[in-house]
Amino acid sequence: EPEVTQTPSHQVTQMGQEVILRCVPISNHLYFYWYRQILGQKVEFLVSFYNNEISEKSEIFDDQFSVERPDGSNFTLKIRSTKLEDSAMYFCASSFSGVDTGELFFGEGSRLTVL
Amino acid sequence: GNSVTQMEGPVTLSEEAFLTINCTYTATGYPSLFWYVQYPGEGLQLLLKATKADDKGSNKGFEATYRKETTSFHLEKGSVQVSDSAVYFCALTNNNAGNMLTFGGGTRLMVKP
Repeated sequence: EPEVTQTPSHQVTQMGQEVILRCVPISNHLYFYWYRQILGQKVEFLVSFYNNEISEKSEIFDDQFSVERPDGSNFTLKIRSTKLEDSAMYFCASSFSGVDTGELFFGEGSRLTVL
Repeated sequence: GNSVTQMEGPVTLSEEAFLTINCTYTATGYPSLFWYVQYPGEGLQLLLKATKADDKGSNKGFEATYRKETTSFHLEKGSVQVSDSAVYFCALTNNNAGNMLTFGGGTRLMVKP
C-alpha cells in the first residue's frame, strides 16, 4: 500500500541552526501539506502546496520556514534558524484531490528537538 | 475562526465496552467533519468523515453523526477491542479554510483486555 514517508524520524539541533525535514508523498498525489504538533498541544496546519507553489499558509509559517518540491518526488520543509519553540513533531501529508473532497495521507512524523 | 474541541484523555476502557469520544466544533458555513486515528508509531489515518448535516460516517465499527444543531460529531463504537488503542483526532474544514484541516487536541484511547 502506498504511504507517505518522512525522514529523519528524530532530529536534535542547536538553536539557530538550519533544519531540513524531508517527505516523499504518494506518487500520484497533487496536494502536499506540513502540519506540526507541539507536545501536549493540537495538531496545527503550517502550509499547503499545489501546482509547485504555496496555496495556503498559517501565521506560524513565517519567513523562517520554506517548502520546496525540488525533484518531483521529495517535499521538504526548511527551518532557516531554529528556535526553542520550533521543537515539535512535524507531519507531512499528501492528497490527490484536496482536503475537502479527498483523504489526507500522513507520514509518521519527524520529531524535532531544538536545544 | 474555526476550532475543534475534544474531550481530554486518556480514556481507558475494558475490551467490549462502549466508546464515546465527544467532539464539538465552531465554524462558519458548512464544514466537512473528520475523525483521524493515529496508531502507535504510525501517521494519522482517516477513520471516517461526513460532509453535510445529518450524515453518518462509519468505518471499522466506528460511527459519527454530523449534528449541526449541536455542532457536534461524537465518535462512537459499540464494542472496543485492544487493537483500537490509539489517539483519535476530530477535524474539520470548510470553504473559508481553503485547503486546511483544523484539528482538535486528540484523545488517547487505551483498551485493556
